[in-house]
This record gives sequence, C-alpha cells and structure tokens, in this order.
Amino acid sequence: QKEVEQNSGPLSVPEGAIASLNCTYSDRGSQSFFWYRQYSGKSPELIMFIYSNGDKEDGRFTAQLNKASQYVSLLIRDSQPSDSATYLCAGGSNFGNEKLTFGTGTRLTIIP
Amino acid sequence: SQTIHQWPATLVQPVGSPLSLECTVEGTSNPNLYWYRQAAGRGLQLLFYSVGIGQISSEVPQNLSASRPQDRQFILSSKKLLLSDSGFYLCAFSGSNQPQHFGDGTRLSIL
Repeated sequence: QKEVEQNSGPLSVPEGAIASLNCTYSDRGSQSFFWYRQYSGKSPELIMFIYSNGDKEDGRFTAQLNKASQYVSLLIRDSQPSDSATYLCAGGSNFGNEKLTFGTGTRLTIIP
Repeated sequence: SQTIHQWPATLVQPVGSPLSLECTVEGTSNPNLYWYRQAAGRGLQLLFYSVGIGQISSEVPQNLSASRPQDRQFILSSKKLLLSDSGFYLCAFSGSNQPQHFGDGTRLSIL
C-alpha cells in the first residue's frame, strides 16, 4: 500500500526563521511530489511541486527531493505569520494527472 | 485560465435526507476529476475518481455515489445521509501537465 508520512506537528517556528517540513514515502514508483497549503476552514492550495532529485526554489519556498532516501521536504525561509497553516505532502507517478497519495499534514504555527 | 467551481459552500441536512453536490471545471477539456472528504482535523480521503464521462472509480465503500454527466461536471450524491457523512467535501481536477487543484469545498453538517 502506498503511504506518505508526515509529522503531524504542531510545528512552531519564530517569525523570520526557516520552517522545515518533512515527508517520507513508501512507493519507489512515485515520480512527482506536491506540497499543498491549507488554511483553517479552507481548501488545499498547491504551492510547490518537484519531479527531479535536488532542490527547487520559488520565492521563499524550496522543495527538496531525495529519491534514494524516499524523502521530500519543504523549506520556508523568512517565515511570516501568514505561513501558519497545515501543509500537505502528496506523491504520484504521472506528474499530477492521476490519483495522489496524501499525507495527513503538518500543522505549522509561526510565532510573531 | 482553468477554474473549478463547487457549491454550495455550506449545507446543513437532516439524517436520512438526500444529497447532491456539484462541481464544474472551466478552461480545460477532459480533466480527471476527484471527490475527497476531510473529517474535522483529519487528512484527505479520496472518495471517487473519474477519467472521463460516465467513468467513475469508487475508492471507499459507502452510501455515497458519483456521476459525471458531462466532461467538466462531477456530482456527488447520496439517497440517505448518515451522521458519519458530515465533513468537508472537496472536488479537484487535474489535466496533462496540470497537477490537482481543489475547489473551495462544501462543509456538510448532518443533524
């Protein structure tokens, strides 16, 4: 059974610091990984995706993928109170156009 | 641009009543469509998945059903709601080179 695991948190980070969110997956056939941000009471919003080993940067966000270790992470630099949300990690095998396996999410709180 | 519309935003229904939630997608053709449920404080549970008109895969046995009468329309239904059907229902779509994007969701409360 395909699984994606995340620490449920909550994870508390001071404003301005780096928040590090981690995710491991069990299916070696997974080729694509996605990070969604979900504010309380709202629907998930796609913020990053990564298909290749290494780092991918977009503004304050960096996604990291290590297929050998089956590990995905999301770094948020210069954390802001508006980054407080639950972050969902998801994995798939067809670059997103297919069923994804979602983790249960990590709740992140940025402390002013 | 591609957009997804889901309604209603909130719904309160008595136990045993029927349900119909609708989702439509604009700006893309032949999308994959998904229905998820999220219980309070829990992760996403995939309920149904569709790759085309009339093609529905059910992921979890339950008293819900889904239909796709048109390419960009996805409907979630129930004949008789249970208390356990309460939750946040999310519709999503994906396409070629387009990862899943979610609608705004419907918060369903069963009384």
